[in-house]
Amino acid sequence: QVVVTQSPSASASLGASVKLTCTLSSGHSIYAIAWHQQQPEKGPRYLMKLNSDGSYSKGDGIPDRFSGSSSGAERYLTISSLQSEDEADYHCQTWGDGILVFGGGTKVTVL
Amino acid sequence: EVQLVQSGAEVKRPGESLKISCKGSGYTFTSYWIGWVRQMPGKGLEWMGIIYPRDSDTTYSPSFQGQVTMSADRSIRAAYLQWSSLKASDTAMYFCARLSDYSASSPIDFWGQGTLVTVSS
Repeated sequence: QVVVTQSPSASASLGASVKLTCTLSSGHSIYAIAWHQQQPEKGPRYLMKLNSDGSYSKGDGIPDRFSGSSSGAERYLTISSLQSEDEADYHCQTWGDGILVFGGGTKVTVL
Repeated sequence: EVQLVQSGAEVKRPGESLKISCKGSGYTFTSYWIGWVRQMPGKGLEWMGIIYPRDSDTTYSPSFQGQVTMSADRSIRAAYLQWSSLKASDTAMYFCARLSDYSASSPIDFWGQGTLVTVSS
């Protein structure tokens, strides 16, 4: 079964960029993933679906400064021009054969 | 506009039963799978299971099989998650979510606002 791994935390300055990584377990490098944002004390919000070839499709209303990319078993979320409201937990999710799998989440701090 | 609206917060005692709801609107409710996700205090997201409202077909995570029951009432566009005997360890936020691609194997694209369940004696 696929396992998804995320770094626990990341930080960057206001206005800078941050790149988050989601790593798929061995043998699952072709899997697509989804990124979800969870601001403090709120429910998650879907950001995008990211394919193994690096193509992605974002949810309605997601700003252009959120983008995705892929390399091998790694899936990335880049947030450019960081805003204070980007301080949140970011969850990576994949799926297959009727199951859903989440990574542990990455907490992003805006300095 | 797609919306998933969940029932309000609950405070229960150990051993009590509970059923929480998730009502969908703004889309064809019977065409999309609904998933349930647990978030314990200060922790990440855990997949509990999925249900297809058209025929109530379900798949449970092995971690939650036998611990909870999912159901749906297509006539009122509602999905449910229930416990027959709550434990203190069931204290968590529970989210419902829609799967995007008319398939059980697809990403979540919409989330409910969450239902906080507190179990305490």
